[in-house]
Amino acid sequence: EVQLVESGGGLVQPGGSLRLSCSASGFTFSTYSMNWVRQAPGKGLEWLSFISGSSTTIYYADAVKGRFTISRDNARNSLYLQMNSLRAEDTAVFFCARGPVADFDYWGQGTLVTVSS
Amino acid sequence: QSVLTQPPSVSAAPGQKVTISCSGSSSNIGNNYVSWFQQLPGTAPKLLIYDNNKRPSGIPDRFSGSKSGTSATLGITGLQTGDEADYYCGTWDYSLSAGVFGGGTKLTVL
Repeated sequence: EVQLVESGGGLVQPGGSLRLSCSASGFTFSTYSMNWVRQAPGKGLEWLSFISGSSTTIYYADAVKGRFTISRDNARNSLYLQMNSLRAEDTAVFFCARGPVADFDYWGQGTLVTVSS
Repeated sequence: QSVLTQPPSVSAAPGQKVTISCSGSSSNIGNNYVSWFQQLPGTAPKLLIYDNNKRPSGIPDRFSGSKSGTSATLGITGLQTGDEADYYCGTWDYSLSAGVFGGGTKLTVL
């Protein structure tokens, strides 16, 4: 069974940093591209970043370019999102999702990031 | 403001049919496949339709997708109260080199 489990969310002050993780199981992780998508409270979905299976191709949304870094460790079946210079408007539930953009066939349950002083 | 435009809400009675539109441009819908997602309250999104009109395993044929030019449509027949959810379209935008979603449509089954 395919499972994606995010972790690492929490409360962080504006300007702070946080690293999210997504642990994958039930499939050959290295053969799938992965994404991060977020959803602000009461708002719609916002795609953030894509990484190919071998990490050779990476894309970012303009809203996070230069502040967020996507990476993966295929040996650990894990996807990461390093978030720096966090702002109040980054407050959201962050989901990892499997597949090419936008054929996200499996999603994690999400982890909440709150940016507040 | 979302790159893809969806109606904020639609409604219909149980057993009826509803369609949800998703409008874009030549840089996204016009030259790429469209996916549709269902998000029930308090849960993660779920893939309903991919590659414009394909259904993943386990998705009933009450759900259908189509695309014409720079617009896409999700159709749901035989509406059930359990279909009440937010629905999102998504695709790749070549000009932005980014994934894009519609703003979401809330379906109410009256």
